[in-house]
Amino acid sequence: ETGVTQTPRHLVMGMTNKKSLKCEQHLGHNAMYWYKQSAKKPLELMFVYNFKEQTENNSVPSRFSPECPNSSHLFLHLHTLQPEDSALYLCASSQAGSSYNEQFFGPGTRLTVL
Amino acid sequence: GIQVEQSPPDLILQEGANSTLRCNFSDSVNNLQWFHQNPWGQLINLFYIPSGTKQNGRLSATTVATERYSLLYISSSQTTDSGVYFCAVHTGGFKTIFGAGTRLFVKA
Repeated sequence: ETGVTQTPRHLVMGMTNKKSLKCEQHLGHNAMYWYKQSAKKPLELMFVYNFKEQTENNSVPSRFSPECPNSSHLFLHLHTLQPEDSALYLCASSQAGSSYNEQFFGPGTRLTVL
Repeated sequence: GIQVEQSPPDLILQEGANSTLRCNFSDSVNNLQWFHQNPWGQLINLFYIPSGTKQNGRLSATTVATERYSLLYISSSQTTDSGVYFCAVHTGGFKTIFGAGTRLFVKA
């Protein structure tokens, strides 16, 4: 595997389900990100982890719970979601340091909440 | 917070035509990236360009940080250039702000 991978690519879940999205980066980076892309809206940064420590949480509802066990893996745990949470969820990674922050993205998980 | 505006929002080109996409930002930024999002949702890195000019094949980009804008040039467009083009600015720490994108359709 190369670059940034995400699984699953598609997910349909009910509002009472619990599911997890997985992201893995093979670039040797130390920062990982979750973004949400809703229809007709810009990408929104949700969470950032730097060396496994959360550095950004942009007022994301608690029904989204991130986990970063190491610099290569990032999870987004989902529970009791709402239909408006249906979106494309994108993971990215970067080699953080100084102002250099070029981000590389995975293919995304397209989530539908029924 | 910082505002990022892209123009035009939509663009239709005949294959072979040239185009210029613009990204304006309202405050100083640490760096700027251009991405192409293909129809399957994958964001493809085009340029990392906090300032100056870079070229990669038919694409080039220029960022004038002091005037808070960046331009993406597409020459001799091809149908595979269709998709959405985003600029993203990186501010302090890990904050990243994306523009709303320019949706490009290239007709054969």
